[in-house]
Amino acid sequence: DAGVIQSPRHEVTEMGQEVTLRCKPISGHNSLFWYRQTMMRGLELLIYFNNNVPIDDSGMPEDRFSAKMPNASFSTLKIQPSEPRDSAVYFCASSFWRGAATDTQYFGPGTRLTVL
Amino acid sequence: DAKTTQPTSMDCAEGRAANLPCNHSTISGNEYVYWYRQIHSQGPQYIIHGLKNNETNEMASLIITEDRKSSTLILPHATLRDTAVYYCIVNRGDYKLSFGAGTTVTVRA
Repeated sequence: DAGVIQSPRHEVTEMGQEVTLRCKPISGHNSLFWYRQTMMRGLELLIYFNNNVPIDDSGMPEDRFSAKMPNASFSTLKIQPSEPRDSAVYFCASSFWRGAATDTQYFGPGTRLTVL
Repeated sequence: DAKTTQPTSMDCAEGRAANLPCNHSTISGNEYVYWYRQIHSQGPQYIIHGLKNNETNEMASLIITEDRKSSTLILPHATLRDTAVYYCIVNRGDYKLSFGAGTTVTVRA
């Protein structure tokens, strides 16, 4: 079975440009998570969707960040305008969430973003 | 969620058991202990979790002390592919996983 798919795997852009990261969750999963990982702050949850609806976006750093999930098989994380401090690895994870302890999250390979 | 304390790093020999400790002295009765690992340049991977009893799966064993204030993840026969950062997470079973700094485990031939 295919795992969580993220694209692109690497993105280099210049400050001020719009960046869109894409994620395809595991088929049948009803929950999707976007995380950001940096050396300074570690792995942080940015936003959590359940059944395509954003449930918790308290981790989204500021208005420059937005995330959408138009259907159960696709999500985007957009940064506009991008800044050098947004450079990080962005992970998407999915889960079949029933609210039980056994509902584990499956992570994608990540997108390494570099903003010059 | 309760805070966890793990050693920063540890080495182990290939083929030997790797015992990874985690302290969680403020754990609540309804909180689980989860272990994830992150191999270099990959996303985190779930390993195992437990509440009170010891648990074992195809990847590892989890030993939780009777007072639940600490636990040990055991990789029975470490291989070079087990070199990774291992995260011990205490959680009520909800979606918010708080990844700390973890333990960097290096398996040496």
